Amino acid sequence: EAGVAQSPRYKIIEKRQSVAFWCNPISGHATLYWYQQILGQGPKLLIQFQNNGVVDDSQLPKDRFSAERLKGVDSTLKIQPAKLEDSAVYLCASSFSGQETQYFGPGTRLLVL
Amino acid sequence: ILNVEQSPQSLHVQEGDSTNFTCSFPSSNFYALHWYRWETAKSPEALFVMTLNGDEKKKGRISATLNTKEGYSYLYIKGSQPEDSATYLCALYTSGTYKYIFGTGTRLKVLA
Repeated sequence: EAGVAQSPRYKIIEKRQSVAFWCNPISGHATLYWYQQILGQGPKLLIQFQNNGVVDDSQLPKDRFSAERLKGVDSTLKIQPAKLEDSAVYLCASSFSGQETQYFGPGTRLLVL
Repeated sequence: ILNVEQSPQSLHVQEGDSTNFTCSFPSSNFYALHWYRWETAKSPEALFVMTLNGDEKKKGRISATLNTKEGYSYLYIKGSQPEDSATYLCALYTSGTYKYIFGTGTRLKVLA
């Protein structure tokens, strides 16, 4: 079965610019997660979707980050405007349900200059 | 704030050595514990899901144990190989809030 797809794999932008990441989860997985992993830290959950509804976005900086999951399948994560501290790996993961094993995409490595 | 701690942060071992890492978590918040392996430029890969106190899981040369009463899990690698070089992450799935809390990972480098 196809895994979780993410694009782009790498992105370099200047501060105050905007950027968007795309994720296509494993077919049939209802739960989708976006994580931010800053160098030297563990992945931090930004937002969790169940189908196209938000389950948890308590750690999403809503003044600059937004995410959507249209039709309960693909998802996009946007940062607008980006700050230097947003430099990180952004991981997308999906699971059949909230407590099942998560399957991760390869991540998008973002560098904000 | 719940904290999941992993130790050591990094280590280098020689090919053929056996090694182990620790994942510590607050036992009162335990629901399940996941172990992942994350090789550079690849997707994190699920290794084990552990739910019961005393659980032992094995996959090839890698095994894991779980102690929910004292709040820790050990990951063992027997006869390390260069291809085992990766970051090993544990993630606690918490009871009550049903959230995943990741540790900071253990970065393993196996020298040929």
